[in-house]
Amino acid sequence: NAGVTQTPKFQVLKTGQSMTLQCAQDMNHEYMSWYRQDPGMGLRLIHYSVGAGITDQGEVPNGYNVSRSTTEDFPLRLLSAAPSQTSVYFCASRLSGSYNSPLHFGNGTRLTVT
Amino acid sequence: SQQGEEDPQALSIQEGENATMNCSYKTSINNLQWYRQNSGRGLVHLILIRSNEREKHSGRLRVTLDTSKKSSSLLITASRAADTASYFCAPFGNEKLTFGTGTRLTIIP
Repeated sequence: NAGVTQTPKFQVLKTGQSMTLQCAQDMNHEYMSWYRQDPGMGLRLIHYSVGAGITDQGEVPNGYNVSRSTTEDFPLRLLSAAPSQTSVYFCASRLSGSYNSPLHFGNGTRLTVT
Repeated sequence: SQQGEEDPQALSIQEGENATMNCSYKTSINNLQWYRQNSGRGLVHLILIRSNEREKHSGRLRVTLDTSKKSSSLLITASRAADTASYFCAPFGNEKLTFGTGTRLTIIP
């Protein structure tokens, strides 16, 4: 069981470039989410999805797009990268039907925007 | 905001001692979860306590919850070097799970 897999592990972008951070889970979890972690800021929720075809905004959605065409995948798109998006990005998933289902995290993508 | 706030921000103790960290939150919850993050890794779920529970144990972990004070505590007994990590609480009331800045725990050998 691979759990939650994030690719790439590291990425350097120039300002204005676009890229997609990939997230895949093999646990048949309906709920998936993206967080960013910055020093002194904790983890902040960017976008989340409660199932295929359904997405919603979290605390800091500006500059990011998501889609959920399958249960397994939840990619995060940066359309025009900015230095303020330098961060560590984490994808997480859980079962949606139970409030008592914990989140499973990937190991993160470290993004630097120059 | 449903975000929990952990206290203290940092804690250093000798190996073998007990470590206690606290969490406060502001809204009503269904449960409260604690997670650990080792350096450079994703968060790992440790323990979940439901809103109708007051105390829960899992191995060397003991969690308490006081919904009247909107607070929780995590106790790690007989600490080990491998417990060095950041610990986060996550009060859960709806679909979103949000996290504070965590408590950075350092175990001194």
